[in-house]
Amino acid sequence: ELKVEQNPLFLSMQEGKNYTIYCNYSTTSDRLYWYRQDPGKSLESLFVLLSNGAVKQEGRLMASLDTKARLSTLHITAAVHDLSATYFCAVDVFEGSQGNLIFGKGTKLSVKP
Amino acid sequence: DGGITQSPKYLFRKEGQNVTLSCEQNLNHDAMYWYRQDPGQGLRLIYYSQIVNDFQKGDIAEGYSVSREKKESFPLTVTSAQKNPTAFYLCASSIFWGGYEQYFGPGTRLTVT
Repeated sequence: ELKVEQNPLFLSMQEGKNYTIYCNYSTTSDRLYWYRQDPGKSLESLFVLLSNGAVKQEGRLMASLDTKARLSTLHITAAVHDLSATYFCAVDVFEGSQGNLIFGKGTKLSVKP
Repeated sequence: DGGITQSPKYLFRKEGQNVTLSCEQNLNHDAMYWYRQDPGQGLRLIYYSQIVNDFQKGDIAEGYSVSREKKESFPLTVTSAQKNPTAFYLCASSIFWGGYEQYFGPGTRLTVT
């Protein structure tokens, strides 16, 4: 069974601290996406990682992809309250998938002062 | 401005009634998708369409139906056969089917009592 696992699922952190969210997947894939969802809102695209070793940065967030380890990380640097949201990774699956993006369950991030 | 629109934003229905959720895109994308999201959960794929006049079942298609008569439009009907229809419904599109980045609409929150 194809799986995309995120951890942690819940993360409470203080402003100014660093942390990493992990996204492991169980099948071959070269494309991985990170999305942000605010409460009651839709998903907003954050990063598109298209090859092994890809690294993208936007503000306090940095995403990377290691296709050999089947692992992507979303690193948060010096967190601020505005980063509080749920973060999803989604993996492109090559093998006969119904719909071809498999989403993780999401990591709910809460940044406290 | 290009984008995806969903209407209505909130929808209330009595049990036993069918209801249709609208999804329109002006991005000239070939592929469109419907997802369901329950509180605190990830996204589950209901139906997807690779191209106009074509659609396939996703992971949880029972109790739902779709049509794709126009490239821009992919309406979802929630039938009375859907046992637990109350959820947040998200429509998405991608330029082509096959693992490309998906862009999401604002969502429709359906409540059935």
